[in-house]
Amino acid sequence: SYDLTQPVSVSVALSQTATISCGGNNIGEKHVHWYQQKPGLAPVLVIYKDSIRPSGIPERFSGSNSGNTATLTITGAQDEDEADYYCHVWDTATEVFGGGTKVTVL
Amino acid sequence: QLVQSGGGLVAPGEQLRLSCTASGFSFPTYWMHWVRQVPGKGLQWVARIRGDGTAIEYADSVKGRFTISRDNAKKTVDLQMKSLRVDDSAVYFCGRMLTPQDPFDVWGQGTMVTVAS
Repeated sequence: SYDLTQPVSVSVALSQTATISCGGNNIGEKHVHWYQQKPGLAPVLVIYKDSIRPSGIPERFSGSNSGNTATLTITGAQDEDEADYYCHVWDTATEVFGGGTKVTVL
Repeated sequence: QLVQSGGGLVAPGEQLRLSCTASGFSFPTYWMHWVRQVPGKGLQWVARIRGDGTAIEYADSVKGRFTISRDNAKKTVDLQMKSLRVDDSAVYFCGRMLTPQDPFDVWGQGTMVTVAS
């Protein structure tokens, strides 16, 4: 089975930059999607196919993917960005999620 | 929009049916999935069904116990869960996906399933 590894937690000072990694074997060959989830709510798509931002998602969210690591970057983090973030890929008829990263805005 | 119904408390070994009703988009165009989340834990994919219902896959943990189905006329996707176990307890989300290479771009609100004696 394919595994995705994320850091459990990331802290970022207000207005600074947060980076969340998602590690997987040759993940650069796959499309990676990122979701934000706040307590009690369904996930919200923030980046898809590595680096595309859906309509309505702030420009401070960006993504990249190469080699064995995909990255979600929040440039100029805001209080409302405090949430859990999950990466997601499709692998041989199975949807795989990373374990999730809790982002704390200080 | 996806609106879920069903869920609740059941004893181990019993069964439960979840439903997800779509509106505002061409339902037969989309793969539909179920994803679950133990409170405080991560997301786990459960099952998916293609738009025309001809392709279905399950996670190994639910294979043989859960059945996903859809009714394109009613714009619903269901998850029939049998032989429920304590470790099936979770919030269950339905989600849509245009193709297997695409993301989940719309999710249901989630419904809690608790399996306990």
